[in-house]
Amino acid sequence: KQEVTQIPAALSVPEGENLVLNCSFTDSAIYNLQWFRQDPGKGLTSLLLIQSSQREQTSGRLNASLDKSSGRSTLYIAASQPGDSATYLCAVPGGKSYQGAQKLVFGQGTRLTINP
Amino acid sequence: GAGVSQTPSNKVTEKGKYVELRCDPISGHTALYWYRQSLGQGPEFLIYFQGTGAADDSGLPNDRFFAVRPEGSVSTLKIQRTERGDSAVYLCASSLAGTSAKDTQYFGPGTRLTVL
Repeated sequence: KQEVTQIPAALSVPEGENLVLNCSFTDSAIYNLQWFRQDPGKGLTSLLLIQSSQREQTSGRLNASLDKSSGRSTLYIAASQPGDSATYLCAVPGGKSYQGAQKLVFGQGTRLTINP
Repeated sequence: GAGVSQTPSNKVTEKGKYVELRCDPISGHTALYWYRQSLGQGPEFLIYFQGTGAADDSGLPNDRFFAVRPEGSVSTLKIQRTERGDSAVYLCASSLAGTSAKDTQYFGPGTRLTVL
């Protein structure tokens, strides 16, 4: 059974710092990993999806890496801003796959606060 | 274009009552997923549909929970004899599925269910 863990559970840093969020998963037989952002009381916004054949993906100030063999992914945020404050979740596909669809298994998230 | 929409945004009910939660996926998306999120936790999978059929319902906690997608578009999650422990945010997502570029799941804003 796939399990996803995110460390730390919460992180508070001053504005402008570079930071790394960690995600680990127990079953390395995944074909992608997805990072999401969730603002309080809102749904999830997809940030980056990394295919298993890729080692990293970049979008603006965000860079996500994937190391399948060690069961780890990191989300790097450069030059953090107060608007980056949110909960960040990672997720991997798990369970029964049917015609290309498969459920996501989520970590519990990292609650990030960027202080002005 | 329109994203995933969910109605109602908030639902307050009494213990023992029946509730229905609705999800409108992105037009053309074949896969539709339901998740449940408790405070401070990541989303937990309930059920997903590929087309009209439930491809994986292994996450439904018990037989009080049921979901349908009769025409392969809109889905309704139905909860009978609600209990206080059912209180959570119910999230719906949809995806094109089938190829790597289409694996991204797009989430709605959720329905916050409170059982008194």
